[in-house]
Formats: sequence, structure tokens, C-alpha cells
Amino acid sequence: GAGVSQSPRYKVAKRGQDVALRCDPISGHVSLFWYQQALGQGPEFLTYFQNEAQLDKSGLPSDRFFAERPEGSVSTLKIQRTQQEDSAVYLCASNPAGRGTEAFFGQGTRLTVV
Amino acid sequence: AQKITQTQPGMFVQEKEAVTLDCTYDTSDPSYGLFWYKQPSSGEMIFLIYQGSYDQQNATEGRYSLNFQKARKSANLVISASQLGDSAMYFCAMREGPDYKLSFGAGTTVTVRA
Repeated sequence: GAGVSQSPRYKVAKRGQDVALRCDPISGHVSLFWYQQALGQGPEFLTYFQNEAQLDKSGLPSDRFFAERPEGSVSTLKIQRTQQEDSAVYLCASNPAGRGTEAFFGQGTRLTVV
Repeated sequence: AQKITQTQPGMFVQEKEAVTLDCTYDTSDPSYGLFWYKQPSSGEMIFLIYQGSYDQQNATEGRYSLNFQKARKSANLVISASQLGDSAMYFCAMREGPDYKLSFGAGTTVTVRA
């Protein structure tokens, strides 16, 4: 597709359930980022991939959060044993090279934990 | 300390008028980039404009211009000739030095009135 695609757009999970959020970056984009955006706030960095290598996961809030990009294209963000504080919009972004001038964002996945 | 500060939670502007959104930043790295993104209710982050710390001239992109005052560490966004479709949340963001991730401010909601 032409842009970054994320699925599902909306996810409701019961507390304690595991969830998986998918990101399809723009074809050929080397860099991929995950951000978490709480309601009414700006996005906060979670993790960064360059191709299949996860170069920075310093923003992941706990070991319940795990991200992968095994073939250097599609990425999955997995949250285990979800908690209410995990409720947020999860944004994926990509850009063509390590430090391109801008990142292209998807529409996000809104996760609600009940 | 906050890297990006946006002090205006919300603003109203009349259609066809100009509006200035404030952004101040904090970094000790001499090399950095400043970005503005628009986030409509659909959730996607749309890139608007970029200013590099070494750029001699203020960036402009169509109706968007960036008032970059390096000594004051401010990077205000000016939207000229506001349109109803400009109603959205606007985020200022910064990338520092060799880093690749963006640090975002809390955002400013702009509502354009007919």
C-alpha cells in the first residue's frame, strides 16, 4: 500500500489477555518505530528497528511488552497480560533510512483494556 | 525535564486568519531537527514541516511556516489562511544529534471557526 498500515484499528482486551498489534510499513523503508500515545498526550517512543534489528527498546514500559520484525518488513508489538494502564493508541512509523527527515505514521491501533 | 513544551492546550481561530502555535525545546546537542505534525480525529500523524538546527532560513511548506528562533530555543508554527480542515491536534517534536527517535510535546488543539 501507499502508506503505513496498522491492524486492528481498535482492540478491546480483558485485563490479563495477551494482544498482538501489527504494522505494515511503507515498502522498502528501513526504519520502523513504535510509539504509545495516551489520551490527550503526545506520543512516547517505545522501540526502534533498523531492518530486522531492534536497535533500541528503551521505551518499552515493562517486560510484558515485546516487539519483533523478523524479516525486516512487517512488525508486531505484543503485550502480555494486559493491564488498564496499557490502554492507549499505539502508533507505528517508518522512514526510508536511519535518519530521514520525517517519519510516516500509520493511523494507530486504539487499545482499550477493560 | 521536558524536551518539548507546548503551552497552549487549545486555540480557536477564525477561518482565513493566521494562527501561531508555540513550541519551545530543550537540548544541549548542537545538531537537532524540529518537526511539526498534525493529528486529525482519524488518528494519523501527518508530517507538516521540518527545520534543521543548522538551517539558515526558516522552513516553509505551503501555508505552513516555522518561526525558528535558535537563541530562544523556540520553533513556532504559523498556519496562514486557516481552513476548516485545519482543525486538529498539532504536535511539535524534536530529534537530537545522532538519535533517531522523536520526542513530542503535549500538543495544541486548533479549532477553526467558520
